[in-house]
Amino acid sequence: GAVVSQHPSRVICKSGTSVKIECRSLDFQATTMFWYRQFPKQSLMLMATSNEGSKATYEQGVEKDKFLINHASLTLSTLTVTSAHPEDSSFYICSSGGLGEEQYFGPGTRLTVT
Amino acid sequence: GDSVTQMEGPVTLSEEAFLTINCTYTATGYPSLFWYVQYPGEGLQLLLKATKADDKGSNKGFEATYRKETTSFHLEKGSVQVSDSAVYFCALSDFANFGNEKLTFGTGTRLTIIP
Repeated sequence: GAVVSQHPSRVICKSGTSVKIECRSLDFQATTMFWYRQFPKQSLMLMATSNEGSKATYEQGVEKDKFLINHASLTLSTLTVTSAHPEDSSFYICSSGGLGEEQYFGPGTRLTVT
Repeated sequence: GDSVTQMEGPVTLSEEAFLTINCTYTATGYPSLFWYVQYPGEGLQLLLKATKADDKGSNKGFEATYRKETTSFHLEKGSVQVSDSAVYFCALSDFANFGNEKLTFGTGTRLTIIP
């Protein structure tokens, strides 16, 4: 199947700083990518849907000014957590796919804000 | 809204035991149903899927049947192996809203198989 990578796999940052997470499709062009957040022992919660060359669509309750998503090319989407706080500590996962098709998931990024 | 309720874990079984992980759903339209598996250190991978009522998805010895009357999609395997140890996620995609490509996930069930 298709391969999606994420970088970094783990990151620790200080409160108030910003962190960028990259999601790359390695062997296919991804016009749509999804960003999820996973809390311990909870399901994946969709944060936003990003389409190449256009603005991301955020789910209700997700602050778009805090979680900046850029999908500038068909192989790269980035999530930037701005002014991070300890409550932003979580596991962030990206995927690519489309209507009725299998989604391909990255391995996730563990963010810890101290 | 759509939701998926999944059997809570963790589940620990001996090798060659029979496995069932329960999954029920609520949806406003006509969902497709999926089981994803996440092996340690890896991303979620599609294990199997079913797109309409009474369909049976199967892969790697795992099976799940789309039961509209009970709104269920239980995952089963007749004889588990140590290599099946992973976290399993039930999910749905509701096509009632055209263009809605979102997946709704259950909480995941961690399965550990003991030799």
